[in-house]
Amino acid sequence: KAGVTQTPRYLIKTRGQQVTLSCSPISGHRSVSWYQQTPGQGLQFLFEYFSETQRNKGNFPGRFSGRQFSNSRSEMNVSTLELGDSALYLCASSRQGITNEKLFFGSGTQLSVL
Amino acid sequence: AQSVTQLGSHVSVSEGALVLLRCNYSSSVPPYLFWYVQYPNQGLQLLLKYTTGATLVKGINGFEAEFKKSETSFHLTKPSAHMSDAAEYFCAPHSGGYQKVTFGTGTKLQVIP
Repeated sequence: KAGVTQTPRYLIKTRGQQVTLSCSPISGHRSVSWYQQTPGQGLQFLFEYFSETQRNKGNFPGRFSGRQFSNSRSEMNVSTLELGDSALYLCASSRQGITNEKLFFGSGTQLSVL
Repeated sequence: AQSVTQLGSHVSVSEGALVLLRCNYSSSVPPYLFWYVQYPNQGLQLLLKYTTGATLVKGINGFEAEFKKSETSFHLTKPSAHMSDAAEYFCAPHSGGYQKVTFGTGTKLQVIP
């Protein structure tokens, strides 16, 4: 069974640009959640999608958005990039997205904003 | 909302020594408790979890953790450290409901030969 796949693995962008990251969950998993990981702030929850609907959202500005497709694949978009958006972005999937479930993480997308 | 404290951002142990990574959570409602490990350049993977039942939970790679409600703690231990245990460890309490996970700040474990 394939794991969670995130593409691309690395990205370099400049300030003001926008970026789209992709996450393919494990087959049969309907919940996809996104996290930002930085040395200073640690792991922070961005949002969670289930059956194409955003169910939960963290405390990030509106520049951070996402969506989920009917096949459960998810994309995350960041517009008007800032230097502080440089981070490792991780996605995780689970079957139902309820909190006693194990999360399966991808290897992440390392975003560098110059 | 849950908050979680991981005492010690860096812990160093000698190979073969006891590993103890601390996690305290704040809540009046018994949560679900998870420990995840992150190896360099990888995502997180589940080590173990407590939901209900036995308070001593055994996980992968010889790790275990004990849920102590009176101390609101869920410390992670391993009797004998191995070089391959060098990684960052995250504690994550969940209150229930849908996934909106609050992770601890993480503890980087260094194993000295």
